Amino acid sequence: AQTIHQWPVAEIKAVGSPLSLGCTIKGKSSPNLYWYWQATGGTLQQLFYSITVGQVESVVQLNLSASRPKDDQFILSTEKLLLSHSGFYLCAWGGVQDTQYFGPGTRLLVL
Amino acid sequence: TQTVSQSDAHVTVFEGDSVELRCNYSYGGSIYLSWYIQHHGRGLQFLLKYYSGNPVVQGVNGFEAEFSKSDSSFHLRKASVHWSDSAVYFCAASSTGYQNFYFGKGTSLTVIP
Repeated sequence: AQTIHQWPVAEIKAVGSPLSLGCTIKGKSSPNLYWYWQATGGTLQQLFYSITVGQVESVVQLNLSASRPKDDQFILSTEKLLLSHSGFYLCAWGGVQDTQYFGPGTRLLVL
Repeated sequence: TQTVSQSDAHVTVFEGDSVELRCNYSYGGSIYLSWYIQHHGRGLQFLLKYYSGNPVVQGVNGFEAEFSKSDSSFHLRKASVHWSDSAVYFCAASSTGYQNFYFGKGTSLTVIP
């Protein structure tokens, strides 16, 4: 069975500080991977997707970047956090016919 | 560009009632439509999906959804809800391929025991 893990569970960071969020998928070879951002009480906004190691496509610009250093790992980062980056970050992998399987999420508060 | 709209932000029903959560989409080509559930503070879980064939699709926990091309809709239904069905429900659309996914704003379902 496939498992998806996100770290950290939650972060409180200062405006202007760097950020790195991680996502690991086990039990699935060469998965399509996705990052989403969810504002508190809001909808999901797709940020990035990746179909292979080293290749990441941006869907929306939010002063964030993503990387896929390994087949089973997807990293979301920024060098300078903004207040607007606060929210819930979800990683997902794509199954048959585009079904999305989500991780537990990372809650980020920027102060 | 696809859009997904969920007209009801909040729905409240009693346990044992039936419920329908509405989803409308706009897209001109082939499309996958899905429903996901999010319990408070958690990740999303897949409920069901439609791509082609029988317009009524069955999902987990007694949920079903019906696709209508003429109405551009994909409404979610359950005949008898349980208090544990209380959550936020998201409708999602994607074109064939793996690239872009569009989610509605979500409908918060509250089931009163």
